[in-house]
Amino acid sequence: NAGVTQTPKFRVLKTGQSMTLLCAQDMNHEYMYWYRQDPGMGLRLIHYSVGEGTTAKGEVPDGYNVSRLKKQNFLLGLESAAPSQTSVYFCASSSGGEQYFGPGTRLTVT
Amino acid sequence: KNQVEQSPQSLIILEGKNCTLQCNYTVSPFSNLRWYKQDTGRGPVSLTIMTFSENTKSNGRYTATLDADTKQSSLHITASQLSDSASYICVVSVKPTGTYKYIFGTGTRLKVLA
Repeated sequence: NAGVTQTPKFRVLKTGQSMTLLCAQDMNHEYMYWYRQDPGMGLRLIHYSVGEGTTAKGEVPDGYNVSRLKKQNFLLGLESAAPSQTSVYFCASSSGGEQYFGPGTRLTVT
Repeated sequence: KNQVEQSPQSLIILEGKNCTLQCNYTVSPFSNLRWYKQDTGRGPVSLTIMTFSENTKSNGRYTATLDADTKQSSLHITASQLSDSASYICVVSVKPTGTYKYIFGTGTRLKVLA
């Protein structure tokens, strides 16, 4: 099992550009999450999904959109990137208990 | 407000020494508490999980304790190794209705020196 994978690992965007981060899990988990991690702060929840076709807002959803068209995939989109979105993004999945995290995507917005 | 606080923010110890990391939480309703290890450039990986009724849980050289009355947890690392250098994150789960919600601490950054 690959667990949770994220694509890409690194990305540099210019302000105003858009991009999509892909998260995939092969553990048949119902729940999937997108977090951002910034220096000196705990992981903050952006959006989450409790099953295929469902999404919900987390703690810091502004500027991001998500989709869960397939159970194994959870996409995070930035429509118009801003420097404040420079961060490390982590995807996680769970079956309701322990969360399993991906390796992260380091995004820089200039 | 649900909150998880960890101390110290950072810690430097010599290889072979022991150390203890602290986690205080004000979270309700409490479901469980996990300690994660996060190596630089990687995602967090679970070390231990503790429910309300558990006082101690070990995973090799890692021992977590939980005092549900004082809402405190600690992670004790015995005979530290260079590979223990990482951030350690305390995460408390709540489940008021339906879906679990996870409250993350800011982590303790541990550096083990040879």
